[in-house]
Amino acid sequence: QSALTQPPSASGSPGQSVTISCTGTSNDIGGYRYVSWYQQHPGKAPKLMIYDVDKRPSGVADRFSGSKSGNTASLTVSGLQTEDEADYYCYSYAGSNKGVFGGGTKLTVL
Amino acid sequence: QVQLQESGPGLVKASQTLSLTCTVSGGSISSGEYYWTWIRQTPGRGLEWIGYVYYTGSTYYNPSLKSRLSMSLDTSKRHFSLQLTSVTAADTAVYYCARDLSGGLGGAGVFDIWGQGTMVTVSS
Repeated sequence: QSALTQPPSASGSPGQSVTISCTGTSNDIGGYRYVSWYQQHPGKAPKLMIYDVDKRPSGVADRFSGSKSGNTASLTVSGLQTEDEADYYCYSYAGSNKGVFGGGTKLTVL
Repeated sequence: QVQLQESGPGLVKASQTLSLTCTVSGGSISSGEYYWTWIRQTPGRGLEWIGYVYYTGSTYYNPSLKSRLSMSLDTSKRHFSLQLTSVTAADTAVYYCARDLSGGLGGAGVFDIWGQGTMVTVSS
């Protein structure tokens, strides 16, 4: 059960869009539609942003969207705002009632 | 509004057992909708799914920790617990409890509510 692969960093200017990738295998991302994304600000607990690949919980801005193709899931943040600067983690179900996180991506708003 | 709060010692000696409790307030711990989950975070390894306990007492663990791990749930006290034996420095982390709202598939990872986290340091 290896961690999912995310780029260590991503960046964009206010108003721009940025996409963060999360790569796994056919045993996790590729095999199920149970991918979620979490936003974490320094010193805070993670916050659920996307679940089941592309669903947004109530209260999460529609600037956040998720998708999946093959073994790779993606989180897109449109219309970047300064408060979007945070760490982002993906998570996938990996079969047999267990799951795995990605290594995290630090998003910088320039 | 449901809230989760971790509690336990912040310092554990190497080779001993780490014990943490997560108290659930503002909602039911007995609902079959939720999987009560533990997650930890280290600077080097990011977030790591540890495992969960269901209201029936069923448990599922990260295979890499399974031999040292035990989880339980006490509905009367509205809390669930984690025990990790034979700890080493590699177990030093912030430990979070979280509610997985996966609606029928434990481990599907809809962690909608998190505790604030508790730092546990393993000392030699």
